[in-house]
Amino acid sequence: EAQVTQNPRYLITVTGKKLTVTCSQNMNHEYMSWYRQDPGLGLRQIYYSMNVEVTDKGDVPEGYKVSRKEKRNFPLILESPSPNQTSLYFCASSLFFGQPNYGYTFGSGTRLTVV
Amino acid sequence: RKEVEQDPGPFNVPEGATVAFNCTYSNSASQSFFWYRQDCRKEPKLLMSVYSSGNEDGRFTAQLNRASQYISLLIRDSKLSDSATYLCVVNRDSSYKLIFGSGTRLLVRP
Repeated sequence: EAQVTQNPRYLITVTGKKLTVTCSQNMNHEYMSWYRQDPGLGLRQIYYSMNVEVTDKGDVPEGYKVSRKEKRNFPLILESPSPNQTSLYFCASSLFFGQPNYGYTFGSGTRLTVV
Repeated sequence: RKEVEQDPGPFNVPEGATVAFNCTYSNSASQSFFWYRQDCRKEPKLLMSVYSSGNEDGRFTAQLNRASQYISLLIRDSKLSDSATYLCVVNRDSSYKLIFGSGTRLLVRP
């Protein structure tokens, strides 16, 4: 089944404790992206990757890191999480960066709480 | 001003009703337009792309008005299963970077 898999689905952590949210897609998509979703603010892009070893900042990159060493994986790293990073996170992928009409396929989301 | 603005709703309608949502966007250079559907606490899913001439998919009709910079979604013969949040999505200027609206919530009651 074609899908984007995120793990974990739920995570509660403490301020300052490094964490990684994994994202993997099995569709051979070139484009992958991370979003956070907060009430009233919609989905905001954190980082995106157009292909292996090609990443760039989105609209809200502060406090996050990403890497794209393999085409299928695009982990999101929070080196020192803070309470304002409490949010619902989505990973998304698309066939090509320049073909938005294919639409994005989203993972099921990761609900992160930082206390 | 937000790049993509939507009425948050909720729109509360009876089954069988016709309901329409509008969405405005700020960048006149935007070229790609979509509607996504998001169920509570679930991931967004592509509902339909919006083309310049307007397009229809079953009970759903999408329209684009470039002059006024808004897109619309019309749902006919609403079903209980249509209850969800509908996200308006527009690319930022002429790039392929997509900007998501905050969503319009629809509740269809029996």
